[in-house]
Amino acid sequence: AQSVSQHNHHVILSEAASLELGCNYSYGGTVNLFWYVQYPGQHLQLLLKYFSGDPLVKGIKGFEAEFIKSKFSFNLRKPSVQWSDTAEYFCAVNARTPDKLIFGTGTRLQVFP
Amino acid sequence: GAVVSQHPSWVICKSGTSVKIECRSLDFQATTMFWYRQFPKQSLMLMATSNEGSKATYEQGVEKDKFLINHASLTLSTLTVTSAHPEDSSFYICSASADTNTGELFFGEGSRLTVL
Repeated sequence: AQSVSQHNHHVILSEAASLELGCNYSYGGTVNLFWYVQYPGQHLQLLLKYFSGDPLVKGIKGFEAEFIKSKFSFNLRKPSVQWSDTAEYFCAVNARTPDKLIFGTGTRLQVFP
Repeated sequence: GAVVSQHPSWVICKSGTSVKIECRSLDFQATTMFWYRQFPKQSLMLMATSNEGSKATYEQGVEKDKFLINHASLTLSTLTVTSAHPEDSSFYICSASADTNTGELFFGEGSRLTVL
């Protein structure tokens, strides 16, 4: 069965610091990959997605992620975080067969001014 | 982006009663909707896949008689928590796919259930 692991459970950064959140999945076939964000008190929103093409994908609010097939990874990055990036970040994988989205455990990011 | 709406957003009920949560896709049709459960400070756990016009597919460990799912139209799926108990208290989130090519999901606002 497919699974998703996020190694960083809680990350604390100062504003302007660089961010990288790890995401690894276990599935040998074709996958579609997603990063979702959940701001305090709000519902899940899509940050970015990968399903084919350039393995470096850019999302909203300056986030990007790189799909490395050989490492089964899809790490999220941002060169300079802001206080408003404080949120919970979820990596998710859809192996398409069956067609369902499986989430990682999430990473709580706190950014201090 | 596509909009998914859930109702109610907050419900409190007595132990033993049943609660129905609605999930609607407002600007697109969804043959498939997904129901997730989120415990505090934890990730989303897929409960079941709701298929329009047919029976839902439940994940392992999810009681189908406890969590009744009905997907009667292309824009509405309902989750009914039957004979609710305090351990059913949780945040329930529905989602739907507007793009079957990518598997991207759009999420509802979630429904917080508290069983007294």
